[in-house]
Amino acid sequence: SQTIHQWPATLVQPVGSPLSLECTVEGTSNPNLYWYRQAAGRGLQLLFYSVGIGQISSEVPQNLSASRPQDRQFILSSKKLLLSDSGFYLCAWSTVLYEQYFGPGTRLTVT
Amino acid sequence: GEDVEQSLFLSVREGDSSVINCTYTDSSSTYLYWYKQEPGAGLQLLTYIFSNMDMKQDQRLTVLLNKKDKHLSLRIADTQTGDSAIYFCAESPPGYSTLTFGKGTMLLVSP
Repeated sequence: SQTIHQWPATLVQPVGSPLSLECTVEGTSNPNLYWYRQAAGRGLQLLFYSVGIGQISSEVPQNLSASRPQDRQFILSSKKLLLSDSGFYLCAWSTVLYEQYFGPGTRLTVT
Repeated sequence: GEDVEQSLFLSVREGDSSVINCTYTDSSSTYLYWYKQEPGAGLQLLTYIFSNMDMKQDQRLTVLLNKKDKHLSLRIADTQTGDSAIYFCAESPPGYSTLTFGKGTMLLVSP
């Protein structure tokens, strides 16, 4: 069966520090992968998605970037965090039918 | 562009039925989804319905789709306190690798 992992689970970082969040999927090949951010207002904001290794589509211009160095690994990064980057970051994968399965999330607090 | 609207809040008593409504604007949507998010957790796929169906039932969950009005609903029979969560409606336009999510409906079940 397929599983999706995210780490760390929680993170507190100062403004201006770098960020690296990791997501890995097991039990499937060539999944579509997604990064979302959920702020206090509850809505989901799609940040990046990837349909294959090295293929990244950015939905929202900002100081975040994403990379997919391996088929089942998706990384969200920033060189310098802003206060507004605080939120709940969710990774998801999907099948060809596009229903998405979510990881447990990373709670990021920028201080 | 695509838009998915949901009411923000619903309160019911334990044992009653809950009906969560959703409207969408993209008439070409292929699949429509319901997700559940418990506090501090990722989203869990509850069910989905293909656009050529009117109804889908899965144990206590009933999904109704009115394509003419672009209206989707999720009925939870015999609602329990464990059903308290945020419920997201989402649509999948054909040819897109992404989902469009509503802002979520917070369901509060009181004993």
